[in-house]
Amino acid sequence: SQTIHQWPATLVQPVGSPLSLECTVEGTSNPNLYWYRQAAGRGLQLLFYSVGIGQISSEVPQNLSASRPQDRQFILSSKKLLLSDSGFYLCAWSPWSGANVLTFGAGSRLTVL
Amino acid sequence: QQQVKQSPQSLIVQKGGISIINCAYENTAFDYFPWYQQFPGKGPALLIAIRPDVSEKKEGRFTISFNKSAKQFSLHIMDSQPGDSATYFCAASKIRGSSNTGKLIFGQGTTLQVKP
Repeated sequence: SQTIHQWPATLVQPVGSPLSLECTVEGTSNPNLYWYRQAAGRGLQLLFYSVGIGQISSEVPQNLSASRPQDRQFILSSKKLLLSDSGFYLCAWSPWSGANVLTFGAGSRLTVL
Repeated sequence: QQQVKQSPQSLIVQKGGISIINCAYENTAFDYFPWYQQFPGKGPALLIAIRPDVSEKKEGRFTISFNKSAKQFSLHIMDSQPGDSATYFCAASKIRGSSNTGKLIFGQGTTLQVKP
């Protein structure tokens, strides 16, 4: 069966520090991968999605970036965090065949102080 | 045109009552409409989904009603239970076509509290 791992679960970082959140998927090949952000009291905002290694599409211009160095690995990064980057970050995957059924990870809670 | 609007933002229902959450979309190309359930501190999980070729889909106590002409769909939770207390998200996507990337456009979410 397929599983998705996301870490770290909780992160407290000072403004201006770098960020790296990692997500890996097991039990499937060539998945579509996504990073969503959920701010307090708001919905799920799609940040990045990837349909293959090295293929990253950005939905929202900001100081975050994403990379997909391996088929089942998706990384969210920032060189310098802003206060507004605080939130709950969710990685998700869907089958490459376009079934559009997203399976989410447990999320990473980021607090920028 | 890519937005999905969800209401209400929060909902309180007595145990045994009916919970109703509504969503509206603008993009007529959308052809897949799922609902996700999220418990505190967890990632959302798929609850139920519908395609526009049917007007209703029922799974246990959960029913999606779909009105294609009005571009609206809703989630009905019958006999609501305290264990249903969670945040619910509607979403929309376009499946058909070679440009499908699998991404979902989510509504703003509804926090449901079912009182015992």
